[in-house]
Amino acid sequence: DIQMTQSPASLSASLGETVTIECLASEDIYSNLAWYQQKPGKSPQLLIYDASSLQDGVPSRFSGSESGTQYSLEINSLQSEDAATYFCQQHHDYPWTFGGGTKLELK
Amino acid sequence: QVRLKESGPRLVQPSQTLSVTCTVSGFSVTSYHVSWVRQPPGKGLEWVGAIWKGGSTDYNSALKSRLSISRDTSKNQVFLKMNSLQTDDTGTYYCAKHFGRLGARYFDYWGQGVMVTVSS
Repeated sequence: DIQMTQSPASLSASLGETVTIECLASEDIYSNLAWYQQKPGKSPQLLIYDASSLQDGVPSRFSGSESGTQYSLEINSLQSEDAATYFCQQHHDYPWTFGGGTKLELK
Repeated sequence: QVRLKESGPRLVQPSQTLSVTCTVSGFSVTSYHVSWVRQPPGKGLEWVGAIWKGGSTDYNSALKSRLSISRDTSKNQVFLKMNSLQTDDTGTYYCAKHFGRLGARYFDYWGQGVMVTVSS
């Protein structure tokens, strides 16, 4: 199985700041990566697909990028509603696997 | 408006079988693929399996021997059955619609989930 190592496990940031969350794939996944946001007690919501494509309706302060097997989610100009847990998901090979999650707290 | 809703038992005894139904509206299960994803309490997400719009299925190899995913196209429902449940099968079970692009294997709409506890 492809392992997705997500970091950091948690982070705390202030309103207006920029944060970056990373996922390292154990092998090449050829940009087949999605990012989700999950708020407490809610279902995950798709933010980014194909590593850098923004899902309809998602604010442009969210962006995705890649470098080799390292994938990044950047959130600019943090808003209070961005407090959530973020997960990456590789969909290159079976079984599709998720990163362990990053819990983002707003100071 | 796309909606998915899971229904099923909240409590299942160890070694028994879990049956969860996903009722969808706003799209047809013959036009879009649907997956099941589960999440243990306070933990990450695990893809369980998928039923493709043509009716074929794919399962997580770690669960395959215990899993069955099927559908009723007349009712626009997808079913998950998992047998020989153990306590580490406790968690929230979600059904999720695949993104509309052909062959997409990520999920743009999710149900609210059903929390299943495996306990005697």
